Amino acid sequence: GQQLNQSPQSMFIQEGEDVSMNCTSSSIFNTWLWYKQDPGEGPVLLIALYKAGELTSNGRLTAQFGITRKDSFLNISASIPSDVGIYFCAGQSAGGTSYGKLTFGQGTILTVHP
Amino acid sequence: DGGITQSPKYLFRKEGQNVTLSCEQNLNHDAMYWYRQDPGQGLRLIYYSQIVNDFQKGDIAEGYSVSREKKESFPLTVTSAQKNPTAFYLCASTPLEHSGSPLHFGNGTRLTVT
Repeated sequence: GQQLNQSPQSMFIQEGEDVSMNCTSSSIFNTWLWYKQDPGEGPVLLIALYKAGELTSNGRLTAQFGITRKDSFLNISASIPSDVGIYFCAGQSAGGTSYGKLTFGQGTILTVHP
Repeated sequence: DGGITQSPKYLFRKEGQNVTLSCEQNLNHDAMYWYRQDPGQGLRLIYYSQIVNDFQKGDIAEGYSVSREKKESFPLTVTSAQKNPTAFYLCASTPLEHSGSPLHFGNGTRLTVT
């Protein structure tokens, strides 16, 4: 099946630092999504990307859909303590029986020290 | 408020017992999904349904069963055949209005089997 490699697995940073994480795939995706999950909660959508090369921002978050359609990155600028959590990338293929199904990366655990 | 409700939040069962996890949505979404989350791993798809009275196996369907008798409801039964059922289970839905509609997640049920 399709696989997503997300890195890094974990990050320990100081408040105010910038963060970067990425995902690479063995397959082409038509949609890339980035989610954040707080402990004991469900993932919440941060950014959705629909076109190769697309660069989208949501406040301090910026994500890009790679030109090859096999990768994506998420940047967080000027991190704050509430950025703590697990960040997941997810890729979605279109059409056929895979319509609407997501393939998830393993997650990046972010810890922010005040 | 519209959303996805999973119940209960925590569930404890003895080995050998079947258990059913509830998922209800009032978002009028067409498709519903069940994912399993284990520490250090991404979300893995168990079953999904794109229309009432129809569902498909995901990547790890063995030991699980589902039904979709109503658009709003997609219960998951963890059977005694599931060899390692202790995990965090997440239900999600999407409207499937267009290719790439992001999934909306519930807040999960943590199942512990001893």
